[in-house]
Amino acid sequence: EVQLVESGGGLVQPGRSLRLSCTASGFTFRDYAISWVRQAPGKGLEWVGLIRNKAYGGTTEYAASVKGRFTISRDDSKSIAYLQLNSLQSEDTAVYYCTPGVVATMPHLDSWGQGTLVTVSS
Amino acid sequence: DIQMTQSPSSLSASVGDRVTITCQASQDISNYLNWYQQKPGKAPKLLIYDASNLETGVPSRFSGSGSGTGFTFTISSLQPEDIATYYCQQYDNLPPTFGQGTRLEIK
Repeated sequence: EVQLVESGGGLVQPGRSLRLSCTASGFTFRDYAISWVRQAPGKGLEWVGLIRNKAYGGTTEYAASVKGRFTISRDDSKSIAYLQLNSLQSEDTAVYYCTPGVVATMPHLDSWGQGTLVTVSS
Repeated sequence: DIQMTQSPSSLSASVGDRVTITCQASQDISNYLNWYQQKPGKAPKLLIYDASNLETGVPSRFSGSGSGTGFTFTISSLQPEDIATYYCQQYDNLPPTFGQGTRLEIK
């Protein structure tokens, strides 16, 4: 069974940092890009960024709203992806999901974790 | 970025009704379109990928069609458990972008 579990969320002050983890199981993690998607309270879904698999260089892409502040990395030996959130702002308050979906996948795979809530507030 | 425009933004229908949601892309995205269902407090769940392919395990009352810039999502016979918000999402170009969502309620 494919499973993704996000962790690391919590309450953080503006300007501080947080690192989220996405622990995957049930599929060949190293073969897939992993995206992070967030959802502010009562709002829609916003793609945050992705990290490609090693076959595609393991490179990263980010939404303009987080570029330069957020960093995605991965540890294929542990099947974990990370999202480092720096210089957090109140607008970053959201539930953060990880998923191999939202991009073309081969073979097809789309599964999401339960999400982890990040609250930025003083 | 490719803009995805969904309509309507909310919809009220009766059990057994046929429900249709449309999604318009700001440029040609071929068939690189997903439809997600999201229930309150839950993660999005993929229902349709590649515009018209039913995800494994998803009931056949859900369907999708379209290509290029215009897409349609249909529930052939609305069930009480279908109450949720539905999102279209393109994956032709980075960044992946979502429609604003359609909130579906039971009348």
